[in-house]
Formats: sequence, C-alpha cells, structure tokens
Amino acid sequence: KAGVTQTPRYLIKTRGQQVTLSCSPISGHRSVSWYQQTPGQGLQFLFEYFSETQRNKGNFPGRFSGRQFSNSRSEMNVSTLELGDSALYLCASSLDGAPAQPQHFGDGTRLSIL
Amino acid sequence: AQSVAQPEDQVNVAEGNPLTVKCTYSVSGNPYLFWYVQYPNRGLQFLLKYITGDNLVKGSYGFEAEFNKSQTSFHLKKPSALVSDSALYFCAVRAEYTGTASKLTFGTGTRLQVTL
Repeated sequence: KAGVTQTPRYLIKTRGQQVTLSCSPISGHRSVSWYQQTPGQGLQFLFEYFSETQRNKGNFPGRFSGRQFSNSRSEMNVSTLELGDSALYLCASSLDGAPAQPQHFGDGTRLSIL
Repeated sequence: AQSVAQPEDQVNVAEGNPLTVKCTYSVSGNPYLFWYVQYPNRGLQFLLKYITGDNLVKGSYGFEAEFNKSQTSFHLKKPSALVSDSALYFCAVRAEYTGTASKLTFGTGTRLQVTL
C-alpha cells in the first residue's frame, strides 16, 4: 500500500508570493491533517480535513488555508509569504481521524522563503 | 490545554546498551499516547501507541513504552540500542473525551545518538 505522498519535496519562494502544497493520503484514508515543523516552534498543527470539510484548526493566521477534494487528496495554500513561513510542512492521514488512530505522515515539503 | 514535555534534548547511548527516552504529558481525561521517529529529511514514522489496557506497549523495531498514570509518563525504551536507531523521537498526546475534535499535540523531540 502506498504511503502518504507530498509534492513537491522542495520549494523556494520569495516574500509576498503564494504557494500551494499537495498531499495524497493513503488509499482509504479520509482524514488529512497538516503540520508545520520548524526548529524554533517544533511541530505545530495547522488544520484537519475530513470528507471535504475542515474539522479542526490550529492557531495560524488566515494566510494559511486548505481544502480537501472528493478523493481525499488535500492541498494547503499559503498567501503573502513571510520569511517566518520557511519550514517543513507535513501532511498526515488516518482512516477517519478518530483520536485512537495513529496518523501516517508523508516526507513533507520543505519550503524556503528568500 | 494538553501538553507534552520531553525533558532531554539529546540522549547518548552506546550500541548494545538499553535506552530510555522520557516523556510526560498533561491532558484532561484519558490520554491517547503515541511515539514517532523522524530520520533526516523524512516525515514522522509511527512507532507505537497506548490507548488502554497493559501499561507496557510493544511497537516497531524492538521499541516499547511504559505508561504510568500516576506519574503521567510514557517513556520509550529499547533493551539494546543500535546505531541505526539514531534519530529524532517525538512523543504525542491526544485527548480521548473530545473525540475527533481533539488535536494531536507533540513534544519538542529528543535526539537519540547511538555510538559504537
């Protein structure tokens, strides 16, 4: 069974631009969560999608948004990029997001802002 | 609010010796606890979880973890460390009672260095 796939793996942008990251969950998984990982702040929860609906949201500004499609694939968008947005963005999937289920992570998209 | 503390930034151990990576948590109600490992330039890999039942949980690659409710701890252990175990380890907690509204909260991570 294929794991969680994130594209692209690496991305370089400049301040003020916007970016879209993509995540394909494990087949059959309907819950997709996004995390931001930085050396200073560690792993921070961005949001979770289930059945095309945002179910949970972390404490990030509105510049960070996402969506989920009917095939459970998810995209994350960051607008008006800032230097502080440089991070590894991780996507994780689980069957239906129930708290006892482990989340399975992709290898991430490393976003660098110049 | 829920939280996880991993008090050691780095743990050093010689190959063949036992290892322990410490984790304490704070959550309302019953906790669901997880350990993940991250290798360089990779995502997090699930190692094991505690939901209910036996306090000693066995996971992948020979790792196990001991749940202690009174001490609110969930330490990761392995009887005999390998150089290939060198990586970044994360403990995480999620509350049971809020169901799907709960979020997975991670500790800051502990770097495990296993030397020959």
